[in-house]
Amino acid sequence: AQKITQTQPGMFVQEKEAVTLDCTYDTSDPSYGLFWYKQPSSGEMIFLIYQGSYDQQNATEGRYSLNFQKARKSANLVISASQLGDSAMYFCAMREKGRSGTYKYIFGTGTRLKVLA
Amino acid sequence: EAGVAQSPRYKIIEKRQSVAFWCNPISGHATLYWYQQILGQGPKLLIQFQNNGVVDDSQLPKDRFSAERLKGVDSTLKIQPAKLEDSAVYLCASSFGQGRTKDTQYFGPGTRLTVL
Repeated sequence: AQKITQTQPGMFVQEKEAVTLDCTYDTSDPSYGLFWYKQPSSGEMIFLIYQGSYDQQNATEGRYSLNFQKARKSANLVISASQLGDSAMYFCAMREKGRSGTYKYIFGTGTRLKVLA
Repeated sequence: EAGVAQSPRYKIIEKRQSVAFWCNPISGHATLYWYQQILGQGPKLLIQFQNNGVVDDSQLPKDRFSAERLKGVDSTLKIQPAKLEDSAVYLCASSFGQGRTKDTQYFGPGTRLTVL
């Protein structure tokens, strides 16, 4: 079974509009973390936002917010007021404890976002 | 604060040749990760170091890939001999490591490898 699922291979959004990128996850570790990364065409993975499993509030970082619904095991990224520079690949990732007790990071397959002028 | 450094940025080799990649993590980060990212896919963890010890190399093709992290700082990843299917971007990341609730990975710019 997939640990991290991103069901939208590609998305379009009009400039200045908001967009939601979906992510669902599966883990038995009660103390997990969820991340979103942006990967522009240059290839570098840029950390955007983090949500801990015990965090009561949804995480926000500037124009990025994470819609965390723990019971549904979803961690959707919301980008408000989209800009042309937001066009990139977006990856959802989860950190959980592995069998050896160390942290493991698992990535989804990504969503390619294109912002239209 | 300096980010994760990687070199080279690009490498083109022929199959059966060998290649090495270098990574310098963020200062103070105990954990270092090497990922392989094939075009159109998410990153796949190859090996994870905690200081200079390996904590996970379950997805490293050990017949051709090797990695080391001497002195718990810089790391090198080697492929010998390379195959066509090794063409990918190799990403290095680092994080503070165990015990930190908000432990976050930060990535380098990656090395784009093309095997002809």
